[in-house]
Amino acid sequence: EPEVTQTPSHQVTQMGQEVILRCVPISNHLYFYWYRQILGQKVEFLVSFYNNEISEKSEIFDDQFSVERPDGSNFTLKIRSTKLEDSAMYFCASRAGGHTGELFFGEGSRLTVL
Amino acid sequence: QQQVKQSPQSLIVQKGGISIINCAYENTAFDYFPWYQQFPGKGPALLIAIRPDVSEKKEGRFTISFNKSAKQFSLHIMDSQPGDSATYFCAASKGTGANNLFFGTGTRLTVIP
Repeated sequence: EPEVTQTPSHQVTQMGQEVILRCVPISNHLYFYWYRQILGQKVEFLVSFYNNEISEKSEIFDDQFSVERPDGSNFTLKIRSTKLEDSAMYFCASRAGGHTGELFFGEGSRLTVL
Repeated sequence: QQQVKQSPQSLIVQKGGISIINCAYENTAFDYFPWYQQFPGKGPALLIAIRPDVSEKKEGRFTISFNKSAKQFSLHIMDSQPGDSATYFCAASKGTGANNLFFGTGTRLTVIP
């Protein structure tokens, strides 16, 4: 069964460092997303990406965040200068086109900022 | 502003019992209401979803009831099993497909054998 894969599964970084989280969406999907979940809290939308550009972003997704699809298969989330409050599980998700729109989530990348 | 409110926060049910989780939303533009199941260390997985043109959708032991006028929807798990123990999130979105999903705060379900 096709799946969304994410790397790394866990990353520990120092505050102020740059972090890149990587995702390989399902191959025929057209829409890509990043969500995050702070420990014990709800899943929150960060950004959606379609046709090589951001289609929507939340207020969480500030100038410290960026996304890229560098090679047609990977989808990356970069945090330029991490803060303690960026510690969370980051989920990549993708979906095919069309109206039914089931979103498939990866298993997440846990980011710990010290 | 919390777009989707979910209750209860946690739920303990005996094996074979019915688990009921409730959600309420505020934005009348929402037109897609999925429920996600999340096991520890895993990403959310779509369980069942409904659109506002129907009041109920059933898939196996899982049923969504939808009340458009009250802006509420609920998940019913019939004959609950220990393997159903997980965190359940309701969500809502507007527009085509599952765009920007607004998630509820989650319900941790424990089914006791």
